[in-house]
Amino acid sequence: GAGVSQSPSNKVTEKGKDVELRCDPISGHTALYWYRQRLGQGLEFLIYFQGNSAPDKSGLPSDRFSAERTGESVSTLTIQRTQQEDSAVYLCASSPWGQGTQYFGPGTRLLVL
Amino acid sequence: QQPVQSPQAVILREGEDAVINCSSSKALYSVHWYRQKHGEAPVFLMILLKGGEQKGHDKISASFNEKKQQSSLYLTASQLSYSGTYFCGTEIEGGSEKLVFGKGTKLTVNP
Repeated sequence: GAGVSQSPSNKVTEKGKDVELRCDPISGHTALYWYRQRLGQGLEFLIYFQGNSAPDKSGLPSDRFSAERTGESVSTLTIQRTQQEDSAVYLCASSPWGQGTQYFGPGTRLLVL
Repeated sequence: QQPVQSPQAVILREGEDAVINCSSSKALYSVHWYRQKHGEAPVFLMILLKGGEQKGHDKISASFNEKKQQSSLYLTASQLSYSGTYFCGTEIEGGSEKLVFGKGTKLTVNP
């Protein structure tokens, strides 16, 4: 079956512009996660959804970052007024309820000029 | 809260063994291991649950010492395909399914 997909795969934007990143989880997976990975660094947790509710938003770096999810499907991560330090790979992962194993998408490479 | 991985990097010759450690300051419910190759997404290797058995497949296995809040990943008779960065992700006891990842251990296997 299809894995986790993300779009766009690459995004170049100018400082101050808004960007929207999309994640399509594996069908039937109720949990969805967003991570940020800067070049050569580890995975930085951003937000976690269970269904369309977000019980843990503790990783969002600032109020410029927001995310939403429609039911148990697509999620979008929005970054407003992008800054150069937002440049990173944004990874999405999904997980079946109760299993914990996370399946990662290919990521969106964001470059803010 | 972020687990500490050691070593940060290791270089092996094909056929040699390696151990990667992951240590947490919090009581853990589970430890997950992932491998990420350059430019690719992390790929799940295995999960170890509190009270569970040591896991393994092929020549990669792992252990979980709940009392010490530590996990170790064992790679035996390493192959070139084992090269990549290994991350442990820890789930705190009583927490949600949120994983907190370590900074990673870069493994290079040379011919």
